[in-house]
Amino acid sequence: AQSVTQLGSHVSVSEGALVLLRCNYSSSVPPYLFWYVQYPNQGLQLLLKYTTGATLVKGINGFEAEFKKSETSFHLTKPSAHMSDAAEYFCAVSDRTSGTYKYIFGTGTRLKVLA
Amino acid sequence: DTAVSQTPKYLVTQMGNDKSIKCEQNLGHDTMYWYKQDSKKFLKIMFSYNNKELIINETVPNRFSPKSPDKAHLNLHINSLELGDSAVYFCASSQGQGFNEQYFGPGTRLTVT
Repeated sequence: AQSVTQLGSHVSVSEGALVLLRCNYSSSVPPYLFWYVQYPNQGLQLLLKYTTGATLVKGINGFEAEFKKSETSFHLTKPSAHMSDAAEYFCAVSDRTSGTYKYIFGTGTRLKVLA
Repeated sequence: DTAVSQTPKYLVTQMGNDKSIKCEQNLGHDTMYWYKQDSKKFLKIMFSYNNKELIINETVPNRFSPKSPDKAHLNLHINSLELGDSAVYFCASSQGQGFNEQYFGPGTRLTVT
């Protein structure tokens, strides 16, 4: 079965600094990959997704992620952090090993932005 | 208009009680899900329905019973609530499965005392 690993349960960056949130997956076939954001006391919202094609994917709020098959990674980046980026970020893979697609989520990374 | 709505938003109840959480989506999607998010923010699929048919049923105690009266609604009934059921429950929907985005509701915070 698929698994998703997010390195770093907490990441702190200064406002204006680069944001890098790491995600690695285990899969023998190219998966569908997603990044979701969860603001406090809210549901999850899609930031971006990779299905096929261009490996650099741009999402909302200035975020982007690059699919690297050789590294089985899908790290999320943003050139300049804003205070409003403080939230929980989840990487997910759509897994079909059991015959039906289902999301497997990583354990999440809480991003803190320091003034 | 809220795309995926859940009621109630908060639910506080005692052990042994039975409770239900309702979910409605107005996106015209054919697939709906229930997720459980524990206190460490770990998010796990519980159930999924496609066109009112149960397609995912993870290892969940049979005290949990989902019901989908139509494509726009997916309810979750929990019998004999236990302390370990305390969590945030999210409903989500998507058009089809696989690479399509899932739209999440705001969550229902269940506290069992």
